[in-house]
Amino acid sequence: SQQGEEDPQALSIQEGENATMNCSYKTSINNLQWYRQNSGRGLVHLILIRSNEREKHSGRLRVTLDTSKKSSSLLITASRAADTASYFCATVDTGRRALTFGSGTRLQVQP
Amino acid sequence: EAGVAQSPRYKIIEKRQSVAFWCNPISGHATLYWYQQILGQGPKLLIQFQNNGVVDDSQLPKDRFSAERLKGVDSTLKIQPAKLEDSAVYLCASSLGHQISGPGGYTFGSGTRLTVV
Repeated sequence: SQQGEEDPQALSIQEGENATMNCSYKTSINNLQWYRQNSGRGLVHLILIRSNEREKHSGRLRVTLDTSKKSSSLLITASRAADTASYFCATVDTGRRALTFGSGTRLQVQP
Repeated sequence: EAGVAQSPRYKIIEKRQSVAFWCNPISGHATLYWYQQILGQGPKLLIQFQNNGVVDDSQLPKDRFSAERLKGVDSTLKIQPAKLEDSAVYLCASSLGHQISGPGGYTFGSGTRLTVV
């Protein structure tokens, strides 16, 4: 079953703008991860945030986690056309090892 | 380090036929996962192996899907007979045993795109 919803389902922005995607989940988690998927290709890991962390940065990526609201956000700053892809949040639930994915956000960055 | 290898890359079959997918995980990764990703959706776990034992197959449609991981390395996923709704990308992933290590701990293969006509 899907963990939850991602918002928005689709996002179109201009190059140089920031893109923000939100993810909600339903269970108690060990960590939350964000993945990118280019059309027709496999999933590429972007960033992991543990349940006791609130914010994490990696290059142009900033992830926040609010376990009280069971939500996370991914911010991509200064977007590039190459950032065009689908982005998925995935949780590792407490006591489990498998990833449970959200429904994804399709990001289109216009050059 | 070599990635997770999957084959074939694409497969087109008629409904009611059978099909098999193969996955070779990263060397030393004890845990192997098969996910099904229907177009426009996120991947859904089908089955998880720890070495050659099944840890979670609660979402595997066992009347038509089967999977095995002989010798705790390679794995095959089979569908027999296939239905139209099985059209999807089948992703294999692997991770180390009980500890999540590396950037996310999981490495995904490129997937097998199955079309059932």
